[in-house]
Amino acid sequence: GAVVSQHPSRVICKSGTSVKIECRSLDFQATTMFWYRQFPKQSLMLMATSNEGSKATYEQGVEKDKFLINHASLTLSTLTVTSAHPEDSSFYICSAREAGNSNEKLFFGSGTQLSVL
Amino acid sequence: KQEVTQIPAALSVPEGENLVLNCSFTDSAIYNLQWFRQDPGKGLTSLLLIQSSQREQTSGRLNASLDKSSGRSTLYIAASQPGDSATYLCAVRRDSGNTPLVFGKGTRLSVIA
Repeated sequence: GAVVSQHPSRVICKSGTSVKIECRSLDFQATTMFWYRQFPKQSLMLMATSNEGSKATYEQGVEKDKFLINHASLTLSTLTVTSAHPEDSSFYICSAREAGNSNEKLFFGSGTQLSVL
Repeated sequence: KQEVTQIPAALSVPEGENLVLNCSFTDSAIYNLQWFRQDPGKGLTSLLLIQSSQREQTSGRLNASLDKSSGRSTLYIAASQPGDSATYLCAVRRDSGNTPLVFGKGTRLSVIA
């Protein structure tokens, strides 16, 4: 099946620094990437939707200037958490939609656990 | 706005028991429904995907049913094993294309040896 590679799997950073999370589709072209966030014992909440070559669409309450999403190619999307603070500590996970996939299944990365000190 | 609810929030059973996890969604106009497994601090493992036109899907000891009109799905796990201990997430998708999955909060399952 299709594989989405997400890195890093875990990152610890100081407050005020920026962290970049990458998601790569290894054997397919991802026209759309969904970025989710999950706080402990909570559900996955959609943060934003990005389409290749276009600006991302952010969900209500998600700061677009804080969570920068780039989807410059059909195989790579990045999420940058700028000026991270402890309240940004969370599990971030991406989900890719394959171009031309008739059964429309979404494929998930393995997630990134971000801890901001 | 679609809301997905999973009951129970947590479940502890002895090894070997059959069990049922429940999922309900408020908007029955869905494209498909998917069950995932999530281990602590890990990503998602897709277990079963049911298209809106289907009633159930089976994989090994897992069986998922879908009653679209009533907005419900169940995940049946037969002969549970300690290795089944994880959080099980139910998610629905409204449409194909650029529509995401909407997740429930999950059921945390513990199977005791």
